[in-house]
Amino acid sequence: GAGVSQSPSNKVTEKGKDVELRCDPISGHTALYWYRQSLGQGLEFLIYFQGNSAPDKSGLPSDRFSAERTGGSVSTLTIQRTQQEDSAVYLCASSPPGQSTNEKLFFGSGTQLSVL
Amino acid sequence: AQSVSQHNHHVILSEAASLELGCNYSYGGTVNLFWYVQYPGQHLQLLLKYFSGDPLVKGIKGFEAEFIKSKFSFNLRKPSVQWSDTAEYFCAVTPRGAGSYQLTFGKGTKLSVIP
Repeated sequence: GAGVSQSPSNKVTEKGKDVELRCDPISGHTALYWYRQSLGQGLEFLIYFQGNSAPDKSGLPSDRFSAERTGGSVSTLTIQRTQQEDSAVYLCASSPPGQSTNEKLFFGSGTQLSVL
Repeated sequence: AQSVSQHNHHVILSEAASLELGCNYSYGGTVNLFWYVQYPGQHLQLLLKYFSGDPLVKGIKGFEAEFIKSKFSFNLRKPSVQWSDTAEYFCAVTPRGAGSYQLTFGKGTKLSVIP
């Protein structure tokens, strides 16, 4: 596809369950980001992948959160033992190689996660 | 760490009114600045950016922003808004330099334009 694809678009889960959110970046983009947008809040940085380098996980809010990126392309964000405060829109973005300091991020439409 | 403050949570304007959305950042060093926009039902997209040079930058759809270093501000402006400008606007900042990939966003300003 032409843009960043995220799935599912909506996810409703029960407290305590694990969820997996998927991001398929634009083909050829080497950088991939996960952000979280809670109601009334700005976008909160979660994790950053750049090529084969070790990811920057400094934004992950707890050890219940993890992410991986396989083959330098698709990424999965996993939240274990979900809590109600995890309810948010999870946004993925990618950017092409050769850009300096994230000149332009291309965002997906996000996954709306609701934890009941 | 850097932070971004957007002064207005929700702005309501009539068509043809002028727009100015405030953005202030907090960071001790040199920064790159961005405005992103999210139209209803669409994904976030870049509106304009400032890296260096002329502090008055122009973006898409007639928007512009002015970087005032002494005020740590990067306000967004448009002389005459249209109904189609209804959207949420996010200011963002990143430190300039190697490894400066982490964008810090403000909480956003929702703009409603009344026809």
